[in-house]
Amino acid sequence: DQQVKQNSPSLSVQEGRISILNCDYTNSMFDYFLWYKKYPAEGPTFLISISSIKDKNEDGRFTVFLNKSAKHLSLHIVPSQPGDSAVYFCAALGGGSNYKLTFGKGTLLTVNP
Amino acid sequence: DGGITQSPKYLFRKEGQNVTLSCEQNLNHDAMYWYRQDPGQGLRLIYYSQIVNDFQKGDIAEGYSVSREKKESFPLTVTSAQKNPTAFYLCASSIQANTEAFFGQGTRLTVV
Repeated sequence: DQQVKQNSPSLSVQEGRISILNCDYTNSMFDYFLWYKKYPAEGPTFLISISSIKDKNEDGRFTVFLNKSAKHLSLHIVPSQPGDSAVYFCAALGGGSNYKLTFGKGTLLTVNP
Repeated sequence: DGGITQSPKYLFRKEGQNVTLSCEQNLNHDAMYWYRQDPGQGLRLIYYSQIVNDFQKGDIAEGYSVSREKKESFPLTVTSAQKNPTAFYLCASSIQANTEAFFGQGTRLTVV
């Protein structure tokens, strides 16, 4: 039973354009959401997060949007850069345990020069 | 230099042998975690610990064991009972509930 879903295994965009990565969740008890970026053979690095009391959080080129009624969140990267090419994981906290991060399967983003 | 250190980065073991993966953090974080990454599977939680001398099973704890005798250390033992031990193992820590977790660089375990 996958509680956090990233339905697009991969995404390819042109440098300078917007990248939109999507994430859906099924557990309505989740109350904190995070995005991580991961390069091959390295640990994930934290990018940005959002609490369920907000619907938007922005940090430089990265913006996360949360639609609680649809149980959907998205990460926007504008403008996209070749160095953004990596696997992006959506993760959620809550759902009965505030310590247990539940991850999606990830989306491979490729930004072409 | 604060952070999470996993060692070694690459580890090879013969089938049937137990192996222990090291994870140390100097961030003064209370919570620590072990995840496993397989191709196309994302990150799956093996064990987590909220505080010293306490830990809980994650989603795929079978064939693994942990200990949390010190705040800084959370070693993971992959036992011979783990049917598919070859994977990329990630350790993480967080300061408290509802905060982001910070990850180590991972250990690639290959069982031959």
